[in-house]
Amino acid sequence: RKEVEQDPGPFNVPEGATVAFNCTYSNSASQSFFWYRQDCRKEPKLLMSVYSSGNEDGRFTAQLNRASQYISLLIRDSKLSDSATYLCVVNRGTNAGKSTFGDGTTLTVKP
Amino acid sequence: SQTIHQWPATLVQPVGSPLSLECTVEGTSNPNLYWYRQAAGRGLQLLFYSVGIGQISSEVPQNLSASRPQDRQFILSSKKLLLSDSGFYLCAWGHPVREQFFGPGTRLTVL
Repeated sequence: RKEVEQDPGPFNVPEGATVAFNCTYSNSASQSFFWYRQDCRKEPKLLMSVYSSGNEDGRFTAQLNRASQYISLLIRDSKLSDSATYLCVVNRGTNAGKSTFGDGTTLTVKP
Repeated sequence: SQTIHQWPATLVQPVGSPLSLECTVEGTSNPNLYWYRQAAGRGLQLLFYSVGIGQISSEVPQNLSASRPQDRQFILSSKKLLLSDSGFYLCAWGHPVREQFFGPGTRLTVL
């Protein structure tokens, strides 16, 4: 079983749709959690951190459920520019600061 | 603000040739540094990480090595490239528990 698992998709949605991505992690000692966005042939870029209380940044909402070891990302009112691969990332919190990346969920927003 | 540089952006090398990829970070001190590889259509695989000058940890056995001669410099090397070394190589920096930030990457094709 992979340490971080994501639904690979692809998710194909029309503009304006709401889409949700899910991610599960297996290491209960994990300390910090993030969502990254990766455009085709580019480096991953931090989208947002994920907190237990949930956090929102504009059209994006991230949730963490430590008991279920589950992370989610909700995108409201999808834009064409949201088309990308979304990576779920879990950090073990050791001095090495190693992060484990999910394989990503691909989103295509269509007009 | 922090900046991370990687070069070259693209590289085509014959099988059996040596490799040297360089990564430098500006605007932060004593960062953790990481080398990842991403095969086409796949997730990120952590290759090496470093918590300080001269300190290198390898995650997977392979044909590659890494060095950290200065606090903000990280080098990925190989004496003889294999076809399987082709991929997108990403350098990242971060601090424990925190998010990581990626350089623009080097796309390596071994022929």
